[in-house]
Amino acid sequence: AQSVTQLDSQVPVFEEAPVELRCNYSSSVSVYLFWYVQYPNQGLQLLLKYLSGSTLVKGINGFEAEFNKSQTSFHLRKPSVHISDTAEYFCAVSESDNFNKFYFGSGTKLNVKP
Amino acid sequence: ETGVTQSPTHLIKTRGQQVTLRCSSQSGHNTVSWYQQALGQGPQFIFQYYREEENGRGNFPPRFSGLQFPNYSSELNVNALELDDSALYLCASSPGQINEQFFGPGTRLTVL
Repeated sequence: AQSVTQLDSQVPVFEEAPVELRCNYSSSVSVYLFWYVQYPNQGLQLLLKYLSGSTLVKGINGFEAEFNKSQTSFHLRKPSVHISDTAEYFCAVSESDNFNKFYFGSGTKLNVKP
Repeated sequence: ETGVTQSPTHLIKTRGQQVTLRCSSQSGHNTVSWYQQALGQGPQFIFQYYREEENGRGNFPPRFSGLQFPNYSSELNVNALELDDSALYLCASSPGQINEQFFGPGTRLTVL
């Protein structure tokens, strides 16, 4: 069965510092990969997605992620965070033979401090 | 362009009752998925509807059921509510069966 692991439940970081949020998945088939952000009391907003092609994906708000097939990872990075990036971030995976079903990780709370 | 909307925003029910949650998909989207997000957890896939037919289901009991209407709006029905059904219920629409999903703000259900 598909599983998505976000290794850090909380990540504190100072403003303007770089950040990496980690995501690993398990699957025996090809996958599509997504990162979503959730602000308090709101739904999920897509940051970026990997469907095929270049393994380095750029998204909104200066975020990027790299698909590493051999390590089954899709880590999210930002070179310089802002206070407004404080939110919860979810990694999601769907499989090429069952693409209508998204599997989400348990989320990482990013807390940007001044 | 109107995004995905959900109603109601909040709901309080008691154990054993039934509830109906509603979702209006984004214009042009024919696929709607429902997720349950318990406190402190990621969303869990309940089921998906594509052109009014159920098109995939997660590990949820039959008391979780749904409908999709000709205008692609959707309902999630939960019978015999249990305390563990307390969660944020998210609806997501997409322009096809593949690709990204656009999420609504959710309905917060509390079961007492």
